[in-house]
Order: sequence, then structure tokens, then C-alpha cells
Amino acid sequence: GESVGLHLPTLSVQEGDNSIINCAYSNSASDYFIWYKQESGKGPQFIIDIRSNMDKRQGQRVTVLLNKTVKHLSLQIAATQPGDSAVYFCAELLYGGATNKLIFGTGTLLAVQP
Amino acid sequence: DGGITQSPKYLFRKEGQNVTLSCEQNLNHDAMYWYRQDPGQGLRLIYYSQIVNDFQKGDIAEGYSVSREKKESFPLTVTSAQKNPTAFYLCATSSGGTGELFFGEGSRLTVL
Repeated sequence: GESVGLHLPTLSVQEGDNSIINCAYSNSASDYFIWYKQESGKGPQFIIDIRSNMDKRQGQRVTVLLNKTVKHLSLQIAATQPGDSAVYFCAELLYGGATNKLIFGTGTLLAVQP
Repeated sequence: DGGITQSPKYLFRKEGQNVTLSCEQNLNHDAMYWYRQDPGQGLRLIYYSQIVNDFQKGDIAEGYSVSREKKESFPLTVTSAQKNPTAFYLCATSSGGTGELFFGEGSRLTVL
């Protein structure tokens, strides 16, 4: 219901620990996925993407894992820092004829404790 | 940031008034989008435009209107017909290649 939607899943970690944020996607035909980071009061920023022909992709301090069998994405952040505190969204790209749409998950709040 | 400018950043409106949110981009991207974000929720698509003079409704278009007269501009009007307009509005663009969206900094609309 509406009240459930007001409370984001929250992951609380200690500074320096590794973080793992999970996301389930809905469409088995989706073949492109993106992780976004959104700091309070700002627009989302691209972190990393992955195509369905891969199961792992690494960036700087971040790794995305894709499990197509169970339609699951995860974002791993190594050595989490206070500046990583934000809401993290996964998004899947749906192909629809002439137009494609990104469908966003509800997000996970990452809180980094100093 | 990133060549997408949204204005105003904060806007207050009385019930029954229309308000227009501006989105300008200098990225030369063909596609532009408007999303709405409510507290603790994901982004919901309001309208999108793939080319100039053409736009399509997203998932929650009721009570909103848009225009795309120029490639650089995609203003969103929140009309009095929108029953719950208080929200954070995000404009985004894409080049149409990978599907990655680039976002503006958002406009927060509060209806008093």
C-alpha cells in the first residue's frame, strides 16, 4: 500500500566494508540494465551498466552481477565510503517497437556509518 | 549538470493553478523524458519524446501536458487536473544508443 512505498529498503554498513545492493527485475526479455545513484535532492547519476550477454562487469570500486536465471541484479561496492551514501536504483531497458523505455526499481537506501 | 538544466529547482503552487517546469539540454540528444518521483518510490514515466514535434504518454500522463517544439527543450505543464502534483520531477535525455538516461537535477513542486 501507500505507506509501504514510503519506506525504502535500507542497507546500513560501516565505512570500509563492502556493500551489496540487490535488485529483482521483471522482464526476462530485458537485455540491458543500469545502476543509478541518487543523492538527496539531486537527479540520478549513472554508475555502471551491463548487457545480458554478460554476467559480471567491473568498474572503479563497483561490480555488477547479473543472474538471468532468477532475474536478479546486484551492485557490489568495495570499501564503502561516506560519499557512497545515497539511494541506488536498478533499471531495465524494455524494447517496445520504435521506442524503448527504462523501468526503474523502487531503490535501496545505502547508509554508511563512519 | 551534464548539460541538462531544469528550472525552477523549487516551486510552490496553489491548488487549481497550472505550472510549467522547464527542461533544456545541450547534449544534442534526440530523446527527452519526464519522470515523477515520490518519497521512497522509484521513478515513474510521465511523457517522453523521441523527436521534435512528437511525444508519447508514459505510465502516468493524466493531468500533465508537454510540447517539443525544439530539440533542446521539453517543458512539462502540471495542470490543475493533476490530483496529487506535489512531487520531485526529473527530466532526462538519451542519445538513443544504449538506452542510458542522463538526468537533470530535478524540480521539486509543492502544492499549498
